[in-house]
Amino acid sequence: QSALTQPPSASGSPGQSVAISCTGTSSDIGRYDYVSWYQQHPGRAPKLMIYEVSKRPSGVPDRFSGSKSGNTASLTVSGLQAEDEADYYCSSYAGGKTVFGAGTKVTVL
Amino acid sequence: QVQLVESGGGVVQSGRSLRLSCAASGFTFTTFGFQWFRQPPGKGLEWVAVIWHDGSRQYYADSVKGRFVISRDNPRNTLHLQMNNVRAEDTAMYYCARDYSYGSFGDWGQGTLVTVSS
Repeated sequence: QSALTQPPSASGSPGQSVAISCTGTSSDIGRYDYVSWYQQHPGRAPKLMIYEVSKRPSGVPDRFSGSKSGNTASLTVSGLQAEDEADYYCSSYAGGKTVFGAGTKVTVL
Repeated sequence: QVQLVESGGGVVQSGRSLRLSCAASGFTFTTFGFQWFRQPPGKGLEWVAVIWHDGSRQYYADSVKGRFVISRDNPRNTLHLQMNNVRAEDTAMYYCARDYSYGSFGDWGQGTLVTVSS
């Protein structure tokens, strides 16, 4: 059982937006602004998309955005494109360790 | 460019040991902390262990504490994960990753598969 709770799936048509929630506790997401999001395509290593709640690494499109409120973080993908179809994992620093959600499969319809 | 290459995976019998390695290149190895993660087939990511940039501290997931040891060989730019007393539930793809910022990991290896057989 994962420490963070994500919906198992989300979907949207090309051009639409999809939002993924990630719920933790006051010991992880609620306590630290160290929430990250990773994209993983089948058979590939994860790719960092968002760090420190809302920051984007160089090269990540600004269609990807992150936010946090209380114990819940969110990833929004705007202007969905076919290549956005992947698994998305949230993670949070939790005092000496990192915890993950179980992942959300995003389908582009 | 930054490169992380894992090796050492394979099939190992339950209760035995295995040592994974992660060879790093393209950056100053001693500047970064490193992590090991794993992903069982068809399942999600799990954090396994972290080692600080200078090797002074290591932390482990409860599921591997007391069985796995993370270490680094700075002169050889290599990260290790010594896996002892392996169990069936340790079967997974193991990834090494470099710290990007606090609590995030920006560069990952391609993974090495560990299969524990009974």
